Amino acid sequence: GQNIDQPTEMTATEGAIVQINCTYQTSGFNGLFWYQQHAGEAPTFLSYNVLDGLEEKGRFSSFLSRSKGYSYLLLKELQMKDSASYLCAVRDMGGATNKLIFGTGTLLAVQP
Amino acid sequence: NAGVMQNPRHLVRRRGQEARLRCSPMKGHSHVYWYRQLPEEGLKFMVYLQKENIIDESGMPKERFSAEFPKEGPSILRIQQVVRGDSAAYFCASSPGGGGQETQYFGPGTRLLVL
Repeated sequence: GQNIDQPTEMTATEGAIVQINCTYQTSGFNGLFWYQQHAGEAPTFLSYNVLDGLEEKGRFSSFLSRSKGYSYLLLKELQMKDSASYLCAVRDMGGATNKLIFGTGTLLAVQP
Repeated sequence: NAGVMQNPRHLVRRRGQEARLRCSPMKGHSHVYWYRQLPEEGLKFMVYLQKENIIDESGMPKERFSAEFPKEGPSILRIQQVVRGDSAAYFCASSPGGGGQETQYFGPGTRLLVL
């Protein structure tokens, strides 16, 4: 089956660091994506991991362990505008498909 | 460089009517994907298309739903005889190709409300 788990909600303080975890069990794997989605808006691409390790991009970093079926998104120096849902998605592999399988998202609230 | 365009942004239909949702991919992108987001749920894959071809429709309901991506013009997601359970946000995404490390970029979505 296909299962992607992430916490439903998290709260953090402006200026702090927060880590959002994602575990997955999928029949195939061809990369893991993180997207940010503000309420009522489109998901916007944050990061992509296909090999084990850490990918850093400014204040955002993403980590992947394929053997553990685990990823996290690390947000540093939190700002109020980082309050949003963070979506973990696995790209399925098999045949000609290129579809993404999404978790339900983690709603992050950044407080002053 | 314009992003993925979707219209309308909001659509209200009565039960039994038809809904047509349009998606224009980013310039240079030839692969289109449709996802549905129900309230309080994650994005669910519906269909993956290239120009004039349906590549994967494993997420499409068997009845009332269809999708196309003609040689000219936008991709269309069509829902016939809508029911209240079709109320959701429908997102379109596009990518330059279909493999490798291609990232999917999302449009702003169409919010469908069925009365």
